Amino acid sequence: SQKIEQNSEALNIQEGKTATLTCNYTNYSPAYLQWYRQDPGRGPVFLLLIRENEKEKRKERLKVTFDTTLKQSLFHITASQPADSATYLCALDRSRNTGTASKLTFGTGTRLQVTL
Amino acid sequence: GAVVSQHPSRVICKSGTSVKIECRSLDFQATTMFWYRQFPKKSLMLMATSNEGSKATYEQGVEKDKFLINHASLTLSTLTVTSAHPEDSSFYICSARVQGQNGYTFGSGTRLTVV
Repeated sequence: SQKIEQNSEALNIQEGKTATLTCNYTNYSPAYLQWYRQDPGRGPVFLLLIRENEKEKRKERLKVTFDTTLKQSLFHITASQPADSATYLCALDRSRNTGTASKLTFGTGTRLQVTL
Repeated sequence: GAVVSQHPSRVICKSGTSVKIECRSLDFQATTMFWYRQFPKKSLMLMATSNEGSKATYEQGVEKDKFLINHASLTLSTLTVTSAHPEDSSFYICSARVQGQNGYTFGSGTRLTVV
C-alpha cells in the first residue's frame, strides 16, 4: 500500500540550531514533493516544491532535499527561531500513480517546537 | 498572493441538521478545488475534488450523499455536511491551485462541532 511517513511526530530543538525533518514514502513515483507549514487551527501554507530531477532546493533559511532512490525528502530549517514552531507536512502528488488529475496526499506531519 | 477565503471559521450545529461551508478564490479562478478533513493531531485526508460545472469526484470511503459539493462558479465551491452527527465533527479545509504557481493555496479551515 502507499504510505507517506514523517517519522518524528514531534521535534524539540533549541533556538539557533538546525531542525531536520524527514519524509519517507513507499509505492509512489511522485513527479514532485511539497512541504507545508500548518499552525494550530489554520490551513497549511505552502513552503517549497522540489521536483524529481532536483536534488536540493533552498529558500531563505529553508532547504529541501529529494532522493528518489531512497524515497526520502529531508527538510531543514537553519538558525531556527521560536516563530518556526509549527507542524510541517510533506505532500506528494499521486497523479502519476493513479492516472488522475493532480491531487495531493499528505504525510503525518512533524510538530516542531523551537525553544529559547 | 492568491487567497482562498473559507467561511465560517467555526460552527456548532445540532445533530441532524445540515451545515454549509464556503470557499472562495480571491483574485484568481479555480476550476478545481479540493476538500480535506483533519482530525486532531492527524494529517489532512482528501475527501473530494470539486470541479466547476460538473460533478465532484469523491475519494474512496467518502459518502457523496452526506458531503454534498457544489462548484457553481469559477470562484466558489461549497461543502454541505447533511444530517450531521457528532462523528462528523472535524476540521474541514479547502484548497485550490493557482495556475502557473507552485504549491496549493489553502483556506483557513472550518472547525465543525456537532452536538
